[in-house]
Amino acid sequence: GENVEQHPSTLSVQEGDSAVIKCTYSDSASNYFPWYKQELGKRPQLIIDIRSNVGEKKDQRIAVTLNKTAKHFSLHITETQPEDSAVYFCAAKFDSSASKIIFGSGTRLSIRP
Amino acid sequence: EPEVTQTPSHQVTQMGQEVILRCVPISNHLYFYWYRQILGQKVEFLVSFYNNEISEKSEIFDDQFSVERPDGSNFTLKIRSTKLEDSAMYFCASSEGQGGISNQPQHFGDGTRLSIL
Repeated sequence: GENVEQHPSTLSVQEGDSAVIKCTYSDSASNYFPWYKQELGKRPQLIIDIRSNVGEKKDQRIAVTLNKTAKHFSLHITETQPEDSAVYFCAAKFDSSASKIIFGSGTRLSIRP
Repeated sequence: EPEVTQTPSHQVTQMGQEVILRCVPISNHLYFYWYRQILGQKVEFLVSFYNNEISEKSEIFDDQFSVERPDGSNFTLKIRSTKLEDSAMYFCASSEGQGGISNQPQHFGDGTRLSIL
């Protein structure tokens, strides 16, 4: 079935260091992979996305990599700042679906000052 | 920047009562969604809506749930007879797309916190 696994569930890094969150998906026929940031009590906010015809995408301090063969994708945050503290969700849209996306279980990222 | 708006922000309802959650998607978007997030858990897909009909729905979206686009701007989620386990944050989202398939970013509203007593 359609499933997205996300690791780790919690991550604590020193301010200025990098953070990496990893996700795997169950179906090779997946074509769209968004990442959402959710601050406490707020909406999920799209921060970056990648499509299956691209291996890497970068936006300032945030980058996402996609390995279709291994069916995994990762979020990289460099030079972390206190405002990066939030829960991050990976997600995937499967080819069997017209539009729905399946979310991972989330990673609570804490930035230590 | 255009946003998805949801009302109310918080709804408290007695078990067994009907509740309607309201959303105004981004105006040029054609795909609309409802998601649910139980406190501390992941976001779960409920239903997608395109061209005035349900496109996909999850196992959570049973006969107690329905969606409607009553006019050109609103998109509603109705729960007919609420249960305690319906307590959650409900997010509406919308996206662009065409031809019945959307790989476009989904933009979320601020959510409605539904509390069933």
